[in-house]
Amino acid sequence: NAGVTQTPKFQVLKTGQSMTLQCAQDMNHNSMYWYRQDPGMGLRLIYYSASEGTTDKGEVPNGYNVSRLNKREFSLRLESAAPSQTSVYFCASSRDRVNTEAFFGQGTRLTVV
Amino acid sequence: AQKITQTQPGMFVQEKEAVTLDCTYDTSDQSYGLFWYKQPSSGEMIFLIYQGSYDEQNATEGRYSLNFQKARKSANLVISASQLGDSAMYFCAMRDPYSSASKIIFGSGTRLSIRP
Repeated sequence: NAGVTQTPKFQVLKTGQSMTLQCAQDMNHNSMYWYRQDPGMGLRLIYYSASEGTTDKGEVPNGYNVSRLNKREFSLRLESAAPSQTSVYFCASSRDRVNTEAFFGQGTRLTVV
Repeated sequence: AQKITQTQPGMFVQEKEAVTLDCTYDTSDQSYGLFWYKQPSSGEMIFLIYQGSYDEQNATEGRYSLNFQKARKSANLVISASQLGDSAMYFCAMRDPYSSASKIIFGSGTRLSIRP
């Protein structure tokens, strides 16, 4: 059982370049999330999605776009990368119920130079 | 707005001692869920324990227990008989059932180091 799969695991971008982080889950979860993790700041929610075709802004959405094309996949796009977006990005998914935990991917370490 | 606060950036504990990691939260909702996750140096996020806002008993999972004080809005994680493998980052999280995807927010984390 693969769970939540993120690609790529590592990426270096130049300032101004664009890229898409991919995330897929095979647990039939409705809810999916994108977080970024920075030292001393924990995990901050970028965007989340309740179902296919719906997305909502989280705590730090500026500079990012997302797409939930189907139930399995939730992608995060950086249109014009900035050094401030250097971070570790995590995708997660969960069932809808309040008493269910989120399952996380392995993370993507992104460096913008 | 909802918020999770972890006031201990780092802690050192002697092996085999018990340790309490603090977590306070802020929400106006009556129904919510509280979670603790462990992140070892390898980076993966490991779910440890869950507490529901209406649960009357404190949650326990093996050596982990959650000291839930609803009136004080605190949900501290207690690890009994700490082991070297407990050295990791620990995150407290809260789930809001009323948002469209039942969003989950995290605190800033506590880095726990166990001394042999």
